[in-house]
Amino acid sequence: EPEVTQTPSHQVTQMGQEVILRCVPISNHLYFYWYRQILGQKVEFLVSFYNNEISEKSEIFDDQFSVERPDGSNFTLKIRSTKLEDSAMYFCASSFQETQYFGPGTRLLVL
Amino acid sequence: EDQVTQSPEALRLQEGESSSLNCSYTVSGLRGLFWYRQDPGKGPEFLFTLYSAGEEKEKERLKATLTKKESFLHITAPKPEDSATYLCAVLPLDDKIIFGKGTRLHILP
Repeated sequence: EPEVTQTPSHQVTQMGQEVILRCVPISNHLYFYWYRQILGQKVEFLVSFYNNEISEKSEIFDDQFSVERPDGSNFTLKIRSTKLEDSAMYFCASSFQETQYFGPGTRLLVL
Repeated sequence: EDQVTQSPEALRLQEGESSSLNCSYTVSGLRGLFWYRQDPGKGPEFLFTLYSAGEEKEKERLKATLTKKESFLHITAPKPEDSATYLCAVLPLDDKIIFGKGTRLHILP
């Protein structure tokens, strides 16, 4: 069964450094998403992406964040200058219609 | 304001003891309501999508129902492997999915 994959599974970085989280969505899906989940809290929407542009974004998704689909398979989330509060699980998801399928996540720890 | 409230926060059941999880929502326009299962340190695993009041979906020991204000996830004769956090999420018209905090379910053997 097709699934969303994410790399790396874990990432440790120093405050102020840039990180890129990578995702390979399910191949025939058209919509792509990033979410975050701070430990013990609920899953929060960050951004949705369709037809090579951002379709919606939350208040969390400020100028420090960017997304890109550099080729036909990858979907990336870049955090330009990480802060301590960016420490969280980051999930990528993809969908063909309404139902979103999630990847296993990247655990980001900012020191 | 669109929001999703799940109850109870946590639930402990004996193996075989059926129960229901609740998801109450207020949303400007509902495009879909989703149930996911999440194991510790893992991504949400899709269970069901419901689109309109009166709709029901079933999968093994799980059954999801939807009204205009809430959804229930019924668990019949649960097994220890059903232990997980169950997440409810709604998709409003603005396409920004909203998750509830989840119900942590623990099934005792």
